[in-house]
Amino acid sequence: KQEVTQIPAALSVPEGENLVLNCSFTDSAIYNLQWFRQDPGKGLTSLLLIQSSQREQTSGRLNASLDKSSGRSTLYIAASQPGDSATYLCAPQGGSEKLVFGKGTKLTVNP
Amino acid sequence: NAGVTQTPKFQVLKTGQSMTLQCAQDMNHNSMYWYRQDPGMGLRLIYYSASEGTTDKGEVPNGYNVSRLNKREFSLRLESAAPSQTSVYFCASSGDRSIMNTEAFFGQGTRLTVV
Repeated sequence: KQEVTQIPAALSVPEGENLVLNCSFTDSAIYNLQWFRQDPGKGLTSLLLIQSSQREQTSGRLNASLDKSSGRSTLYIAASQPGDSATYLCAPQGGSEKLVFGKGTKLTVNP
Repeated sequence: NAGVTQTPKFQVLKTGQSMTLQCAQDMNHNSMYWYRQDPGMGLRLIYYSASEGTTDKGEVPNGYNVSRLNKREFSLRLESAAPSQTSVYFCASSGDRSIMNTEAFFGQGTRLTVV
């Protein structure tokens, strides 16, 4: 059974900092991993999808890396802004086709 | 471009009442999912459908039934609601792995309270 851990559970940083969110998973037999953002009271918004054959994906100030063999992914946010405040969730997807979620990292960026 | 649409957005039920949560997607995705999200528990999969006519239990299926009516629609039914089913419910869909179209998209959620 896939288990996903996200560290830290919460993070508070001043505006402008670069930061890294971590995701680890127990079953490395995945074919992709997706990062999502969730604002309070809202649904999940897809940020980045990394296929298992890729090592990283970039979108604007976001960069996600994947090391499938070690069961790890990181989400790097450059030059953080108050608008980045949200909960960030990772979800590896394996052969069963089911998305399994971590509990997320709650990010607060202070002006 | 609607994506994944869930109805209703809010619902209050009395214990023992039944209701159906509706979900529809317009992205021609094969896979659809129902999750519930509770404080401290994260997102937990209730049921999953890999294609029209197929459904599979997830982590927490007890007390729920689903129906994949067609490729677009995947409904979740609570036959006899219990207070433990108070939660936020999310529907999601994702595409076909064979064409590398596996990005998942979520609806805005249904906030259900059972009293």
